Amino acid sequence: ETGVTQTPRHLVMGMTNKKSLKCEQHLGHNAMYWYKQSAKKPLELMFVYSLEERVENNSVPSRFSPECPNSSHLFLHLHTLQPEDSALYLCASSQDLSLWGYGYTFGSGTRLTVV
Amino acid sequence: ELKVEQNPLFLSMQEGKNYTIYCNYSTTSDRLYWYRQDPGKSLESLFVLLSNGAVKQEGRLMASLDTKARLSTLHITAAVHDLSATYFCAVDMRSNYQLIWGAGTKLIIKP
Repeated sequence: ETGVTQTPRHLVMGMTNKKSLKCEQHLGHNAMYWYKQSAKKPLELMFVYSLEERVENNSVPSRFSPECPNSSHLFLHLHTLQPEDSALYLCASSQDLSLWGYGYTFGSGTRLTVV
Repeated sequence: ELKVEQNPLFLSMQEGKNYTIYCNYSTTSDRLYWYRQDPGKSLESLFVLLSNGAVKQEGRLMASLDTKARLSTLHITAAVHDLSATYFCAVDMRSNYQLIWGAGTKLIIKP
């Protein structure tokens, strides 16, 4: 399997639930990212990991908790979310943080609905 | 703060017509990316523009970058229905690893 794979594709959760999103990349990339895409808003960078170390947390609420156990896997743990957190969550990877000439490779996303 | 503005945000056009999507950004950068997103799908990389005057073409799409004007264009020639999608530009600040994204242009091409 190649590219960036995200699971699940769709997730409906209650505000009191705990769930996790998973991302896996088979590209040998060293950097991985979580993005949030909401309707009518630009993509929002949430977290950045380089070689399993978090290098950016863009003022994301603590109800979102990332985990990067190795350079191929990235998780986003969710708990006590709000309805406004409903969005498409995209995982991306890049060769490294410089993005030089390549940009990101995106996963297919997880469509999250909080009820 | 870097801002990236795309226009138009929505475009409905007939097959066979030509049109241009504009991406303006507010501060110096010489790296810009164009992505395509189909409904409910992920973002697909279209073009990477790495210098002033860069021009890239793929099929009916052509992208260019003018770093002095802080402007990139995505030109569509003789549009076909399969090009219906949302197109995003993203500017690379180079000083960090973030891309700053435009809001996207939703393109609908009618037969």
